[in-house]
Amino acid sequence: GENVEQHPSTLSVQEGDSAVIKCTYSDSASNYFPWYKQELGKRPQLIIDIRSNVGEKKDQRIAVTLNKTAKHFSLHITETQPEDSAVYFCAASTSASKIIFGSGTRLSIRP
Amino acid sequence: KAGVTQTPRYLIKTRGQQVTLSCSPISGHRSVSWYQQTPGQGLQFLFEYFSETQRNKGNFPGRFSGRQFSNSRSEMNVSTLELGDSALYLCASSLLARDTGQETQYFGPGTRLLVL
Repeated sequence: GENVEQHPSTLSVQEGDSAVIKCTYSDSASNYFPWYKQELGKRPQLIIDIRSNVGEKKDQRIAVTLNKTAKHFSLHITETQPEDSAVYFCAASTSASKIIFGSGTRLSIRP
Repeated sequence: KAGVTQTPRYLIKTRGQQVTLSCSPISGHRSVSWYQQTPGQGLQFLFEYFSETQRNKGNFPGRFSGRQFSNSRSEMNVSTLELGDSALYLCASSLLARDTGQETQYFGPGTRLLVL
């Protein structure tokens, strides 16, 4: 069945450094890849998404890349700040709106 | 626009009881999805409703069921509660984007269920 694997499960980086979270998906029909950020005690919030006809998308300090051939996609956060500390979830979806989430990455930013 | 709302926010039940959770989507959104979130299992897809019909279903036992009303509000029910059902239950509503054919999901605050 559909599966999304996410690595690493925890990540600690120095403030100002970059953080990279990687995901792989199994369903070759997947064509939509959102990323959600969940702060402690809060709901997941969409931070960026990418569609299968695009290889890379940037929004200020956040970028996502997609390699359809390898079924990999990654989240890159540059110049990390304390407020970036949260759990990040990748997800993959076909057009039928069934979204499969990765297991999450707990990102900690060290001051 | 008001966001997705869920009631109740917190709930304590005992094993064997049943529970009903409610989700009101963003106005105009016709799709509602339900997820179970636990520390060990992440976000697990339960089911999705669109226009009062279940459109997608995850791999949960039949004790978990749901429905959607004509105003797009949705309820999920869990019968014969087990200790392992303790979790945060999130719903998300979405609207089909005509230009991309994709549906971006917006989450509610969740209902935290504790089964004793």
